[in-house]
Amino acid sequence: DSGVTQTPKHLITATGQRVTLRCSPRSGDLSVYWYQQSLDQGLQFLIHYYNGEERAKGNILERFSAQQFPDLHSELNLSSLELGDSALYFCASSVASGVQETQYFGPGTRLLVL
Amino acid sequence: AQTVTQSQPEMSVQEAETVTLSCTYDTSESNYYLFWYKQPPSRQMILVIRQEAYKQQNATENRFSVNFQKAAKSFSLKISDSQLGDTAMYFCAFMPNNAGNMLTFGGGTRLMVKP
Repeated sequence: DSGVTQTPKHLITATGQRVTLRCSPRSGDLSVYWYQQSLDQGLQFLIHYYNGEERAKGNILERFSAQQFPDLHSELNLSSLELGDSALYFCASSVASGVQETQYFGPGTRLLVL
Repeated sequence: AQTVTQSQPEMSVQEAETVTLSCTYDTSESNYYLFWYKQPPSRQMILVIRQEAYKQQNATENRFSVNFQKAAKSFSLKISDSQLGDTAMYFCAFMPNNAGNMLTFGGGTRLMVKP
């Protein structure tokens, strides 16, 4: 158990809908990262937040957005869902924002868009 | 842009034997970090080992060790005394020193440990 929690574990929804994935980092960690794991794209970095501020963006679609709240939990919002958005979404956390920080991953949220 | 390549989609090893998983990467950066993550059937991503590029000494964590060849841009993982619980997908990952802590992953190697 990495100490990173993600809810829900599984999510089934329909195309065109909007969902919110939630992540709580390890106690004391200020950085939160989101990754997407799909069959065709593999594991891809989406976005990084540090202490409430966006620090880096990867291959995140405009239909997706994220934020980190004052209590440091983070939410990833996916809207206008398409079949291709079906994937495993991971949240990871690290103590700070330095590049030497190891990222610890949560168990993931499996999203299925029908 | 950095790329990470794992050329072995699948491997198998007998229990108690040693196996080496390959990883190569392409970058123009001089300072960076390399990682191996394990993803068992539970899908949890578990850190196995990390290596700082500025360190010449290869990292070791119990039965897991790496062979880091900076000039060749190679970062292989050796698992000694393989155990059934080592059965998993293994991902090599690269993090440059200046890119917002973004991990770039390889495509993974599926390792099966046979009894």
